[in-house]
Amino acid sequence: GQNIDQPTEMTATEGAIVQINCTYQTSGFNGLFWYQQHAGEAPTFLSYNVLDGLEEKGRFSSFLSRSKGYSYLLLKELQMKDSASYLCAVTSTDSWGKLQFGAGTQVVVTP
Amino acid sequence: GAVVSQHPSRVICKSGTSVKIECRSLDFQATTMFWYRQFPKQSLMLMATSNEGSKATYEQGVEKDKFLINHASLTLSTLTVTSAHPEDSSFYICSASTTPFYNEQFFGPGTRLTVL
Repeated sequence: GQNIDQPTEMTATEGAIVQINCTYQTSGFNGLFWYQQHAGEAPTFLSYNVLDGLEEKGRFSSFLSRSKGYSYLLLKELQMKDSASYLCAVTSTDSWGKLQFGAGTQVVVTP
Repeated sequence: GAVVSQHPSRVICKSGTSVKIECRSLDFQATTMFWYRQFPKQSLMLMATSNEGSKATYEQGVEKDKFLINHASLTLSTLTVTSAHPEDSSFYICSASTTPFYNEQFFGPGTRLTVL
């Protein structure tokens, strides 16, 4: 099975930086995804990490450490529209492409 | 590219009726489609995995006779909620991938089901 833990909620001000951590335990790890989900909408893809290191994509960066079972999503220069739930999801070679989602982290951006 | 649509986007039905939700990959062939359910303020829970031309694989605790899944073509999968009850009210989301092994899933916009 896969245990995926991420904080329930984080609050930050506009223009600031927020780091959302995700820890996981899984056999046959085969990649970690981050998705953004606004209320009432489907998730949208943000990033995919399968090798250790940092992947930067504009204001969003994602980091992975396979040995530690740890990832984080870094949101820079926060905007009000970044208020959303951020989902960490893991896939493994045992699960034929299935994604196991964490509970999600609700990020609230305040003025 | 990689657009997935769902229909309807919202449906309200009476208890005891059946509801069919369609999931279509618009610009690619989806060998594998996934169906998720999401209750308010909770994460996505995988219900089943369907591969074109074969029976769906259901996750533990999901009743296959209640949630009928058909994946008859490479661009269409349907989920039928049979004899719906108020506790089936939820946000149903499908996703599609191009092969059984490729990790990235492309999500549909979701269907909000309300059972009265």
